[in-house]
Amino acid sequence: GNSVTQMEGPVTLSEEAFLTINCTYTATGYPSLFWYVQYPGEGLQLLLKATKADDKGSNKGFEATYRKETTSFHLEKGSVQVSDSAVYFCALSESPGGTSYGKLTFGQGTILTVHP
Amino acid sequence: EPEVTQTPSHQVTQMGQEVILRCVPISNHLYFYWYRQILGQKVEFLVSFYNNEISEKSEIFDDQFSVERPDGSNFTLKIRSTKLEDSAMYFCASTQSSGSHSPLHFGNGTRLTVT
Repeated sequence: GNSVTQMEGPVTLSEEAFLTINCTYTATGYPSLFWYVQYPGEGLQLLLKATKADDKGSNKGFEATYRKETTSFHLEKGSVQVSDSAVYFCALSESPGGTSYGKLTFGQGTILTVHP
Repeated sequence: EPEVTQTPSHQVTQMGQEVILRCVPISNHLYFYWYRQILGQKVEFLVSFYNNEISEKSEIFDDQFSVERPDGSNFTLKIRSTKLEDSAMYFCASTQSSGSHSPLHFGNGTRLTVT
C-alpha cells in the first residue's frame, strides 16, 4: 500500500535560517504529492502540491519538487519566520480523477518551531 | 474565503455512549471525507462520501461508524458505542471535484475524548 515517511521532529530554527523537511513516499502508479500545514488550534491547510514528476510546488516562500527517481518531495524555505511555526504534513493521493483522489496518505508530521 | 466548519470543537463522552460529530462542508463541494488523528500518530483516512453514498472506507471504519448527509448542508460522523481508543481529533474535509485542481479543504477538527 501507499506510505509516506517524514523526517523526525521537532525542528527548531532561528529566524531567517534555511529549512528542509524531508519526505519520501512509496506508492503504485503516479500519485499526487502535497504539503499541508497546521497552525496551532487550526485545521490542515494545503501549503503546496505537485501532480507529476519534476513539478515544483511553491507557496509563501516554501518549495518542494516531485522527484520520482528518489521518490521524494522535500519541503524547503530559504528564510523562515516566527510565523512559520506549525506542524507540517507530507501527503500523497492517487492520480487525479480517480475516485480515491481525496483519500490522502499522510506522513507523521514534523513540528517546526522558529525562534526570533 | 469559505471554510469547512466542525462542531463541537471538543466532545467528552463516556465509553459505550453514542456521539455525533458535525461538519458543514463548503457549499458547492461534492466530495466529503472524515479523517482522524490519534494523539502522536498519523492523520488517517476514515471514509469518503459522494452522491449520498460511501465511496470508500478504511479498515478503521467498522460497523460502529456511520456517516450521513441528512439535509444537504451537514455531514455527520456517528460512532455508535464509543471505545477508549476512539479518542482522537476528527477532521472533516470537502472538495469540489476529484481533479488535481481541487484541493481538500479541512475543518479545524473535533477533539473527542472517551472516558
